[in-house]
Amino acid sequence: GAVVSQHPSWVICKSGTSVKIECRSLDFQATTMFWYRQFPKQSLMLMATSNEGSKATYEQGVEKDKFLINHASLTLSTLTVTSAHPEDSSFYICSATGLAGSYEQYFGPGTRLTVT
Amino acid sequence: RKEVEQDPGPFNVPEGATVAFNCTYSNSASQSFFWYRQDCRKEPKLLMSVYSSGNEDGRFTAQLNRASQYISLLIRDSKLSDSATYLCVVNMEAGNMLTFGGGTRLMVKP
Repeated sequence: GAVVSQHPSWVICKSGTSVKIECRSLDFQATTMFWYRQFPKQSLMLMATSNEGSKATYEQGVEKDKFLINHASLTLSTLTVTSAHPEDSSFYICSATGLAGSYEQYFGPGTRLTVT
Repeated sequence: RKEVEQDPGPFNVPEGATVAFNCTYSNSASQSFFWYRQDCRKEPKLLMSVYSSGNEDGRFTAQLNRASQYISLLIRDSKLSDSATYLCVVNMEAGNMLTFGGGTRLMVKP
């Protein structure tokens, strides 16, 4: 099956620093990648959709200058949380689609970010 | 009104019980429907797609009622390992964006 990895799986950073999270499709080319955020006891909320080689489309309420998304290749998308604050602490999950004829999204294992 | 709505639970059931979850969605033009399972601190994993005619996969049965904009998941003979949060997920427009419900938590006890 299609495999999506994320790195790092967890990270602790100080307030004001930036953190980069990588999302990779390991065995298929991902034409579209999605970034979600999940706070404790809540469901996944879509942050942005990125297509390879073009600018990401952000959901309402998500600051594009704070959450920088780069989808430079068909197997890699990165999310950079800039000037992180404690309220950015969350579980960040990416997913990818791209298998021919399928809209199924394959999820990465998630990255747990804690900002102190 | 939330786009995809679920009872958050928790549903506490004994092993072997049958349990049903419901989900409603707001957009009548929604295209595709899924149930995902999410374990604590893990990513969601696709449990099953939901088809108009209803479909079954082992102990799991999914039903879709487009007229009522309602989706259900039935789990028979619950196992301890079924304990998780079950997410109702809807593809609301052409393309591949998914909208997640808030999830229903199931706890199966010995």
